[in-house]
Amino acid sequence: DAKTTQPPSMDCAEGRAANLPCNHSTISGNEYVYWYRQIHSQGPQYIIHGLKNNETNEMASLIITEDRKSSTLILPHATLRDTAVYYCIVRVADSNYQLIWGAGTKLIIKP
Amino acid sequence: DAGVIQSPRHEVTEMGQEVTLRCKPISGHNSLFWYRQTMMRGLELLIYFNNNVPIDDSGMPEDRFSAKMPNASFSTLKIQPSEPRDSAVYFCASSLGSDRAFNQPQHFGDGTRLSIL
Repeated sequence: DAKTTQPPSMDCAEGRAANLPCNHSTISGNEYVYWYRQIHSQGPQYIIHGLKNNETNEMASLIITEDRKSSTLILPHATLRDTAVYYCIVRVADSNYQLIWGAGTKLIIKP
Repeated sequence: DAGVIQSPRHEVTEMGQEVTLRCKPISGHNSLFWYRQTMMRGLELLIYFNNNVPIDDSGMPEDRFSAKMPNASFSTLKIQPSEPRDSAVYFCASSLGSDRAFNQPQHFGDGTRLSIL
């Protein structure tokens, strides 16, 4: 099963773009990359997902490399409320529901 | 739209007591998940329902744990008898999902923080 590697923590200045990297070098061709975040004392919140192409929504952008071995989540204008643990996840191969959750990246937005 | 609703938000009880956690999924979602989160083990999938039917309960730790989904808008996770090692945050999530939908995101409730004394 594909697994992900993320830095344990990152800082970013308020108002700047936060770029969160993720390595998933063993990802299979039909596995999606999902990003979730978990703000303290809340449930995980879905952010974005993608397969091959770059994706953008109201929360963030997801850049997936051409070989699909890594991706970057971009929060274009980080605010203090974006302080959270960010999880990069891939779905278990041949499963339509099982997600492999790692330890995530603790992102701290500083004023 | 209302998200996934869980109750209670906090539960403190003594070991040996029965604990019932409740979940109302997002309307229209046909997949429901129960997770447990601890510092040591992170987020673990306990059980997955599709169209109210338990599909995968391999993550349920032992027979003291049971889950039901009597209808599309309600699910329970029960622990009987409870033990201190069951202390954790329990999350419920729902999604649009089926054997044909491989990329639907799961939406989580805010969890129940359970403490067994």
